[in-house]
Amino acid sequence: DVKVTQSSRYLVKRTGEKVFLECVQDMDHENMFWYRQDPGLGLRLIYFSYDVKMKEKGDIPEGYSVSREKKERFSLILESASTNQTSMYLCASSPTGTSIQFFGPGTRLTVL
Amino acid sequence: EDQVTQSPEALRLQEGESSSLNCSYTVSGLRGLFWYRQDPGKGPEFLFTLYSAGEEKEKERLKATLTKKESFLHITAPKPEDSATYLCAVQISGSARQLTFGSGTQLTVLP
Repeated sequence: DVKVTQSSRYLVKRTGEKVFLECVQDMDHENMFWYRQDPGLGLRLIYFSYDVKMKEKGDIPEGYSVSREKKERFSLILESASTNQTSMYLCASSPTGTSIQFFGPGTRLTVL
Repeated sequence: EDQVTQSPEALRLQEGESSSLNCSYTVSGLRGLFWYRQDPGKGPEFLFTLYSAGEEKEKERLKATLTKKESFLHITAPKPEDSATYLCAVQISGSARQLTFGSGTQLTVLP
């Protein structure tokens, strides 16, 4: 079974803090994705990566950055957290040759 | 602009009462349509992929169909454990690996 894990299920941070969300997959997938999910808005793509050290902006990259130093790990960074970044963050991975994405359990981030 | 719209937003059914969820899309070119199930507090779980109009896929009480403008997820004789949010996503031609998601239908099946 594909396993995608995220470092925290729940996180509470203060405005202005730097926040790191980590995602690890154990199936040697080339592609990894970060989404945020908000009520009524569905999943929106923040960034994705199709190889180590490669990254592409998604639909809503502002206020976020990413890092992929190893194939299995994809980190999402909030440089200076703001209250409008309070959301559920979902990480996903997919192998080359298919667009089926496998999701982690999510991190619910609250920024106070 | 590429768009994916799911309806209804929420649906309550009695156990055994069959119904359908709709996913309509307006995209420049469709490479594939995906259905996911999401339980509260969890990440989405893959159900089906459909690639061409007329294609159908089945899994237990669920059947997904695809036309040139929309997809339906038919639920036959649902049970309370089918309660979840069902998400539809499309892969658009030329978009490499990204999926564009609808906002989901929250299904509640009452015993």
